[in-house]
Amino acid sequence: NAGVTQTPKFRVLKTGQSMTLLCAQDMNHEYMYWYRQDPGMGLRLIHYSVGEGTTAKGEVPDGYNVSRLKKQNFLLGLESAAPSQTSVYFCASSWNMGQAFSNTGELFFGEGSRLTVL
Amino acid sequence: AQSVTQLGSHVSVSEGALVLLRCNYSSSVPPYLFWYVQYPNQGLQLLLKYTTGATLVKGINGFEAEFKKSETSFHLTKPSAHMSDAAEYFCAVTSWYNQGGKLIFGQGTELSVKP
Repeated sequence: NAGVTQTPKFRVLKTGQSMTLLCAQDMNHEYMYWYRQDPGMGLRLIHYSVGEGTTAKGEVPDGYNVSRLKKQNFLLGLESAAPSQTSVYFCASSWNMGQAFSNTGELFFGEGSRLTVL
Repeated sequence: AQSVTQLGSHVSVSEGALVLLRCNYSSSVPPYLFWYVQYPNQGLQLLLKYTTGATLVKGINGFEAEFKKSETSFHLTKPSAHMSDAAEYFCAVTSWYNQGGKLIFGQGTELSVKP
């Protein structure tokens, strides 16, 4: 059981280049999230999705785009990378709390993708 | 709106000593509270959670936390630290009313354990 899988795990980009991070989950979760982790700032939500075909902005969405064409996949795109986007990116997924009382909002995380923009 | 504040970005304890990591939250609706642990170069792993019911919750690896509504706190404790507890710990909050089930994280506390 793989859980949440992120690819790639490491990437170095030059300013202005584009790239896509892929997140895949095999737990049939409705909700998926992209966070970024920076020293001293905890995890900040970039974008999230509450179901296939839906996306919504989080706390720090600027410079990123996302797509959820399939329930199990959530893609994070950087169209024109900037040094400020150097970070560790985490994908997470969870059940819809509204579907069952037993769904209590726990997030399941991938192992992270370390991105450096030069 | 919800928020979380973790007091102390770095905490250092001796092996065998009490571990106390502090977390205070702000929420206008009943909160669900979580503690996650992150070992170096890994993702986040759930330690424990509070949703409803018993206010003292026990988690993995001997950790526990107590929900105190009057103090808006959810501090994490462990009676005796082990070297393997060295990691970064995150407190987080959400609620049943939170659209999309978004989890709001604190800044994190790095725990060091001295031999």
